[in-house]
Amino acid sequence: AQTVTQSQPEMSVQEAETVTLSCTYDTSESNYYLFWYKQPPSRQMILVIRQEAYKQQNATENRFSVNFQKAAKSFSLKISDSQLGDTAMYFCAFMNSNSGYALNFGKGTSLLVTP
Amino acid sequence: DTGVSQDPRHKITKRGQNVTFRCDPISEHNRLYWYRQTLGQGPEFLTYFQNEAQLEKSRLLSDRFSAERPKGSFSTLEIQRTEQGDSAMYLCASLGSGETQYFGPGTRLLVL
Repeated sequence: AQTVTQSQPEMSVQEAETVTLSCTYDTSESNYYLFWYKQPPSRQMILVIRQEAYKQQNATENRFSVNFQKAAKSFSLKISDSQLGDTAMYFCAFMNSNSGYALNFGKGTSLLVTP
Repeated sequence: DTGVSQDPRHKITKRGQNVTFRCDPISEHNRLYWYRQTLGQGPEFLTYFQNEAQLEKSRLLSDRFSAERPKGSFSTLEIQRTEQGDSAMYLCASLGSGETQYFGPGTRLLVL
């Protein structure tokens, strides 16, 4: 079974600064997808960024980028120019076809952006 | 695209009662997933449907839980004889292009 580990339960960053959230995973599969989802307080889960394992290029979405290290099974999220609205729980998740494309989530990192 | 909707948003019930939740996926999405999220944890997979067929169930889905997706449109998740340990957020998601899941707002269940 695949496991997803987020080793930082809580993090804090000042507005306009850069922060990196860590995620490692364990799988014997070669084809899979990795995701970062954001869950603001009392609001629904939304996709931040996705990465296909066969793509070597790291995904980017505006201020959000990932550092995907397939051999190390590492998938970190970098948030640049942090904004107050980035305050949320961030979940790393793994998916592949063997599980019917069901998501396997880590425990999450609570990010607080301070003025 | 109106997004994934869930109803109700909140449910308070007494132990032993039955509850039913509904999920309406994005209309063109064939796959629908149910997850459970307890406080301070990431969501855990419960079950999923491809159209009207329920293809996989997690070990978390005890005999008191049943899910349906008649006609491959909306889905319902029923919990019979609720227990306090069932208190959680129940999330529904549908699978779109690029194998991306889109989540609804969830149903928060509190069992007293």
